Amino acid sequence: QTVVTQEPSFSVSPGGTVTLTCGLSSGSVSTNYYPSWYQQTPGQAPRTLIYSTNTRSSGVPDRFSGSILGNKAALIITGAQADDESDYYCVLYMGSGIWVFGGGTKLTVL
Amino acid sequence: EVQLVESGGGLVQPGGSLRLSCAASGFTFSSYWMHWVRQAPGKGLVWVSRINRDGSGTTYADSVKGRFTISRDNAKKTLYLQMNSLRAEDTAVYYCTRDASYTMDVWGQGTTVTVSS
Repeated sequence: QTVVTQEPSFSVSPGGTVTLTCGLSSGSVSTNYYPSWYQQTPGQAPRTLIYSTNTRSSGVPDRFSGSILGNKAALIITGAQADDESDYYCVLYMGSGIWVFGGGTKLTVL
Repeated sequence: EVQLVESGGGLVQPGGSLRLSCAASGFTFSSYWMHWVRQAPGKGLVWVSRINRDGSGTTYADSVKGRFTISRDNAKKTLYLQMNSLRAEDTAVYYCTRDASYTMDVWGQGTTVTVSS
Protein backbone atom coordinates (compact mmCIF):
# COMPACT_ATOMS: atom_id res chain seq x y z
CA GLN A 1 0.00 0.00 0.00
CA THR A 2 1.33 3.41 -0.98
CA VAL A 3 2.29 5.69 1.88
CA VAL A 4 2.21 9.47 1.65
CA THR A 5 5.30 10.89 3.31
CA GLN A 6 5.84 14.20 5.09
CA GLU A 7 8.63 15.48 7.31
CA PRO A 8 7.58 14.76 10.92
CA SER A 9 8.83 18.12 12.09
CA PHE A 10 10.42 21.29 10.79
CA SER A 11 11.69 24.49 12.29
CA VAL A 12 11.82 27.98 10.77
CA SER A 13 12.91 31.37 12.07
CA PRO A 14 10.44 34.24 12.09
CA GLY A 15 10.57 35.91 8.69
CA GLY A 16 12.21 32.91 7.11
CA THR A 17 11.10 30.63 4.31
CA VAL A 18 10.29 26.98 4.73
CA THR A 19 9.39 24.27 2.21
CA LEU A 20 7.34 21.33 3.44
CA THR A 21 7.08 18.35 1.13
CA CYS A 22 4.61 15.59 0.37
CA GLY A 23 5.91 12.49 -1.35
CA LEU A 24 5.10 8.89 -2.11
CA SER A 25 6.77 5.78 -0.74
CA SER A 26 6.79 4.57 -4.32
CA GLY A 27 6.68 6.87 -7.30
CA SER A 28 6.44 10.58 -7.94
CA VAL A 29 3.75 13.09 -7.08
CA SER A 30 2.33 14.97 -10.03
CA THR A 31 -0.58 17.33 -10.56
CA ASN A 32 -2.68 14.26 -11.32
CA TYR A 33 -2.69 13.56 -7.60
CA TYR A 34 -4.37 16.96 -6.93
CA PRO A 35 -2.17 17.61 -3.86
CA SER A 36 -3.77 19.76 -1.20
CA TRP A 37 -2.50 21.25 2.03
CA TYR A 38 -4.17 21.89 5.38
CA GLN A 39 -3.16 23.74 8.51
CA GLN A 40 -4.35 22.58 11.91
CA THR A 41 -3.81 23.99 15.37
CA PRO A 42 -4.59 21.93 18.50
CA GLY A 43 -8.29 21.47 19.15
CA GLN A 44 -9.32 23.07 15.88
CA ALA A 45 -10.64 21.71 12.61
CA PRO A 46 -8.23 21.74 9.68
CA ARG A 47 -8.08 24.84 7.51
CA THR A 48 -7.63 24.49 3.76
CA LEU A 49 -4.57 26.36 2.48
CA ILE A 50 -3.85 25.04 -1.00
CA TYR A 51 -5.75 22.73 -3.34
CA SER A 52 -5.08 21.23 -6.76
CA THR A 53 -1.32 21.70 -6.33
CA ASN A 54 -1.14 25.49 -6.28
CA THR A 55 -4.58 27.12 -5.89
CA ARG A 56 -4.79 29.19 -2.75
CA SER A 57 -8.01 28.82 -0.78
CA SER A 58 -10.11 31.91 -0.14
CA GLY A 59 -8.62 34.17 2.51
CA VAL A 60 -5.24 32.44 2.64
CA PRO A 61 -2.31 34.91 2.58
CA ASP A 62 -0.13 34.85 -0.52
CA ARG A 63 2.91 33.93 1.54
CA PHE A 64 1.53 30.37 1.33
CA SER A 65 2.10 28.75 -2.03
CA GLY A 66 2.09 25.27 -3.49
CA SER A 67 3.99 23.58 -6.27
CA ILE A 68 5.58 20.38 -7.51
CA LEU A 69 9.29 20.28 -6.68
CA GLY A 70 11.10 17.34 -8.19
CA ASN A 71 9.04 14.26 -7.37
CA LYS A 72 7.09 15.77 -4.49
CA ALA A 73 4.38 18.29 -3.82
CA ALA A 74 5.55 21.25 -1.81
CA LEU A 75 4.06 23.88 0.48
CA ILE A 76 6.21 26.98 0.65
CA ILE A 77 5.75 29.49 3.43
CA THR A 78 7.61 32.75 2.97
CA GLY A 79 8.00 35.31 5.73
CA ALA A 80 7.01 32.84 8.44
CA GLN A 81 5.07 34.29 11.35
CA ALA A 82 4.58 33.06 14.88
CA ASP A 83 1.00 32.04 14.21
CA ASP A 84 2.15 29.77 11.39
CA GLU A 85 3.25 27.36 14.11
CA SER A 86 0.85 24.49 13.42
CA ASP A 87 0.53 21.00 12.05
CA TYR A 88 0.44 20.79 8.27
CA TYR A 89 -1.11 17.93 6.36
CA CYS A 90 -1.12 17.07 2.69
CA VAL A 91 -3.57 14.76 0.95
CA LEU A 92 -3.26 13.05 -2.42
CA TYR A 93 -5.95 11.65 -4.66
CA MET A 94 -4.79 8.12 -5.51
CA GLY A 95 -7.47 7.49 -8.14
CA SER A 96 -10.46 5.13 -7.99
CA GLY A 97 -12.12 7.34 -5.41
CA ILE A 98 -9.39 6.93 -2.79
CA TRP A 99 -7.55 9.70 -0.93
CA VAL A 100 -4.56 9.31 1.39
CA PHE A 101 -3.28 11.86 3.90
CA GLY A 102 0.32 12.24 4.85
CA GLY A 103 1.32 11.85 8.47
CA GLY A 104 1.63 15.59 8.97
CA THR A 105 4.47 18.00 9.72
CA LYS A 106 4.72 19.85 12.99
CA LEU A 107 6.11 23.29 12.18
CA THR A 108 7.86 25.28 14.87
CA VAL A 109 8.57 28.97 14.43
CA LEU A 110 11.46 30.08 16.61
CA GLU B 1 -22.10 31.41 5.12
CA VAL B 2 -20.93 27.99 4.00
CA GLN B 3 -21.17 25.68 7.00
CA LEU B 4 -21.01 22.01 7.95
CA VAL B 5 -22.18 20.88 11.39
CA GLU B 6 -21.58 17.33 12.56
CA SER B 7 -23.53 15.56 15.28
CA GLY B 8 -24.18 12.08 16.61
CA GLY B 9 -20.88 11.31 18.28
CA GLY B 10 -20.65 9.76 21.70
CA LEU B 11 -19.48 6.83 23.77
CA VAL B 12 -20.22 3.36 22.42
CA GLN B 13 -19.12 -0.12 23.43
CA PRO B 14 -16.93 -2.23 21.16
CA GLY B 15 -19.07 -4.01 18.61
CA GLY B 16 -21.73 -1.32 18.83
CA SER B 17 -23.13 1.06 16.23
CA LEU B 18 -23.44 4.80 15.82
CA ARG B 19 -24.75 7.10 13.08
CA LEU B 20 -23.12 10.43 12.48
CA SER B 21 -24.87 13.29 10.71
CA CYS B 22 -23.54 16.39 8.99
CA ALA B 23 -25.92 19.27 8.24
CA ALA B 24 -24.88 21.51 5.36
CA SER B 25 -25.90 25.11 4.78
CA GLY B 26 -24.87 28.09 2.66
CA PHE B 27 -24.24 26.13 -0.55
CA THR B 28 -25.99 23.82 -2.99
CA PHE B 29 -25.39 20.54 -1.16
CA SER B 30 -26.53 18.33 -4.02
CA SER B 31 -23.83 19.76 -6.31
CA TYR B 32 -20.88 18.48 -4.28
CA TRP B 33 -19.22 15.20 -3.45
CA MET B 34 -18.74 14.85 0.30
CA HIS B 35 -16.18 13.09 2.53
CA TRP B 36 -15.70 11.87 6.06
CA VAL B 37 -12.23 12.27 7.58
CA ARG B 38 -11.21 11.19 11.08
CA GLN B 39 -8.45 11.96 13.55
CA ALA B 40 -7.57 9.70 16.45
CA PRO B 41 -6.38 11.41 19.64
CA GLY B 42 -2.89 12.83 19.08
CA LYS B 43 -2.70 11.38 15.57
CA GLY B 44 -2.99 12.65 12.02
CA LEU B 45 -5.87 13.01 9.62
CA VAL B 46 -7.19 9.87 7.91
CA TRP B 47 -9.58 9.82 4.97
CA VAL B 48 -12.54 7.53 5.67
CA SER B 49 -15.10 7.71 2.89
CA ARG B 50 -16.51 9.68 -0.06
CA ILE B 51 -19.91 9.88 -1.71
CA ASN B 52 -20.83 11.36 -5.07
CA ARG B 53 -23.50 13.98 -5.71
CA ASP B 54 -26.55 11.75 -5.92
CA GLY B 55 -25.35 9.04 -3.55
CA SER B 56 -24.97 6.39 -6.21
CA GLY B 57 -21.20 6.12 -5.83
CA THR B 58 -19.27 5.53 -2.61
CA THR B 59 -15.70 4.62 -1.69
CA TYR B 60 -14.07 3.67 1.60
CA ALA B 61 -10.71 3.31 3.25
CA ASP B 62 -9.77 -0.33 3.74
CA SER B 63 -9.87 0.11 7.52
CA VAL B 64 -13.64 0.75 7.50
CA LYS B 65 -14.81 -1.11 4.39
CA GLY B 66 -17.68 -3.45 5.19
CA ARG B 67 -18.36 -1.80 8.56
CA PHE B 68 -19.13 1.84 7.68
CA THR B 69 -21.71 3.16 5.21
CA ILE B 70 -21.77 6.70 3.88
CA SER B 71 -25.04 8.12 2.59
CA ARG B 72 -26.76 11.43 1.96
CA ASP B 73 -30.20 13.01 1.82
CA ASN B 74 -30.02 15.93 -0.60
CA ALA B 75 -33.52 17.11 0.29
CA LYS B 76 -32.43 17.44 3.92
CA LYS B 77 -28.94 18.68 2.95
CA THR B 78 -27.47 16.09 5.28
CA LEU B 79 -24.58 13.64 5.06
CA TYR B 80 -24.48 10.49 7.16
CA LEU B 81 -21.98 7.90 8.32
CA GLN B 82 -23.41 4.67 9.69
CA MET B 83 -20.72 2.95 11.74
CA ASN B 84 -21.19 -0.70 12.73
CA SER B 85 -18.96 -3.24 14.50
CA LEU B 86 -17.06 -0.42 16.12
CA ARG B 87 -13.57 -1.04 17.48
CA ALA B 88 -11.37 0.82 19.91
CA GLU B 89 -9.26 2.01 16.99
CA ASP B 90 -12.28 3.82 15.55
CA THR B 91 -12.06 6.28 18.45
CA ALA B 92 -11.53 9.66 16.81
CA VAL B 93 -12.90 13.05 15.94
CA TYR B 94 -14.92 12.65 12.76
CA TYR B 95 -15.05 15.55 10.32
CA CYS B 96 -17.34 15.93 7.34
CA THR B 97 -15.83 17.85 4.48
CA ARG B 98 -16.94 19.18 1.12
CA ASP B 99 -15.11 18.11 -2.01
CA ALA B 100 -13.91 20.66 -4.56
CA SER B 101 -11.73 19.51 -7.42
CA TYR B 102 -10.61 16.26 -5.79
CA THR B 103 -9.81 17.90 -2.50
CA MET B 104 -11.56 18.85 0.71
CA ASP B 105 -12.23 22.57 0.92
CA VAL B 106 -14.80 23.15 3.69
CA TRP B 107 -14.63 21.36 7.04
CA GLY B 108 -17.04 20.96 9.91
CA GLN B 109 -15.95 21.35 13.52
CA GLY B 110 -16.01 17.60 14.09
CA THR B 111 -17.85 15.18 16.37
CA THR B 112 -16.10 12.87 18.82
CA VAL B 113 -16.61 9.11 18.81
CA THR B 114 -15.24 7.07 21.70
CA VAL B 115 -15.33 3.28 21.54
CA SER B 116 -14.74 1.82 24.97
CA SER B 117 -16.24 -0.61 27.44
